[in-house]
Amino acid sequence: TQLLEQSPQFLSIQEGENLTVYCNSSSVFSSLQWYRQEPGEGPVLLVTVVTGGEVKKLKRLTFQFGDARKDSSLHITAAQPGDTGLYLCAGVEYGNKLVFGAGTILRVKS
Amino acid sequence: DADVTQTPRNRITKTGKRIMLECSQTKGHDRMYWYRQDPGLGLRLIYYSFDVKDINKGEISDGYSVSRQAQAKFSLSLESAIPNQTALYFCATSDRRGPSQETQYFGPGTRLLVL
Repeated sequence: TQLLEQSPQFLSIQEGENLTVYCNSSSVFSSLQWYRQEPGEGPVLLVTVVTGGEVKKLKRLTFQFGDARKDSSLHITAAQPGDTGLYLCAGVEYGNKLVFGAGTILRVKS
Repeated sequence: DADVTQTPRNRITKTGKRIMLECSQTKGHDRMYWYRQDPGLGLRLIYYSFDVKDINKGEISDGYSVSRQAQAKFSLSLESAIPNQTALYFCATSDRRGPSQETQYFGPGTRLLVL
């Protein structure tokens, strides 16, 4: 099983600040996904990036897939308290199984 | 109604007891998965099933077994629970698509405490 390292593990910031979460692996994935999980709920898919170098935007969230398809980043601009949650990256292995990173707990204070 | 449901939502049991966690889905998906989530470790795959006659071990299957009773139902059993199986358990489903379209839909989770 391939491994995904996610950093930072915890991030506490003020409303309006920008932040970046990183997801790194030594292995290549067919695609990479980002999920958001709120307390008491299961993860919900935010985005899938497929092509090396791909950039996708979802409102204030920008997702990038590394050129070699081994790493990804999530950038949030002007964070809001509603962005608070656990962010998980997941590599999609050939065969469609997911390998998850450990997650980043984000807390945005108002 | 939720597309993926899990029962029970919370369970406390004692070491050595047998317990079953159940998952049902109304999405009509062929593929179902069981994960456990531990703080600092993310989600780890326990078992998965690509159709009713297919059962596969995941990364951490020791101490667990599963049953795919129908397309819509996938149960996880702990034959003899131990304290290090205390965790949050998630069921997920997906339909048969290529890697760029893989979307897993998660249930709300079952919080299990083994004393």
